[in-house]
Amino acid sequence: DIVMTQSPDSLAVSLGERATINCKSSQSILYSSNNKNYLGWYQQKPGQPPKLLINWASTREPGVPDRFSGSGSGTDFTLTISSLQAEDVAVYYCQQYYGTPFTFGGGTKVEIK
Amino acid sequence: QVQLVQSGAEVKKPGSSVKVSCKASGDTFSSYAISWVRQAPGQGLEWMGGIIPVFGTPNYAQKFQDRVTITADKSTSTVYLQLSSLRSEDTAVYYCARAYCSSTTCYSSFDLWGQGTLVTVSA
Repeated sequence: DIVMTQSPDSLAVSLGERATINCKSSQSILYSSNNKNYLGWYQQKPGQPPKLLINWASTREPGVPDRFSGSGSGTDFTLTISSLQAEDVAVYYCQQYYGTPFTFGGGTKVEIK
Repeated sequence: QVQLVQSGAEVKKPGSSVKVSCKASGDTFSSYAISWVRQAPGQGLEWMGGIIPVFGTPNYAQKFQDRVTITADKSTSTVYLQLSSLRSEDTAVYYCARAYCSSTTCYSSFDLWGQGTLVTVSA
């Protein structure tokens, strides 16, 4: 199984400041035939299902604010919130869909400092 | 409006089985795979398995292989998750989630989720 490791487990950021979440896969999730990284980022607020923010490591879903961005390739990935807003308080998960079983990172809780 | 609507909360005894449904509206069935993901209280997300409804062949995580059955009823656009031999550790919110299928693969992110079904296993 591909193990997804997120860091940090939690972080507190001041409003308007940058938040950075890291995700590392135990093997490359870059598919060479199409040069795509099979990685998604999700946001989950209490009592709600996860919401897809980013797919293919860096493609923002329609309607997702442009302060959210994804980067990285191979085994190392980053989700950046460029200017944290109050509504961004949530738990964020990375997920690989390169192979089954699809696996998620342990989550990163983002709070306001 | 495209959505996945799940059945209601369940309370089950240890050793029993539970069957949760996920009904899709819109054109979700013809171009998508449906997976089941669970989340124990205060914990992360765990993929249990999935199915491509138009083909009907499920794919299970090895951890659940001997206890889980995922089926699809194309006539009602509904996918089912059955989990047997329930134990207290199965207490969780169970989500269905949709992944788009291209002409070559259904390996894509989950762009639509059901609202979740709480299954409580307690004596």
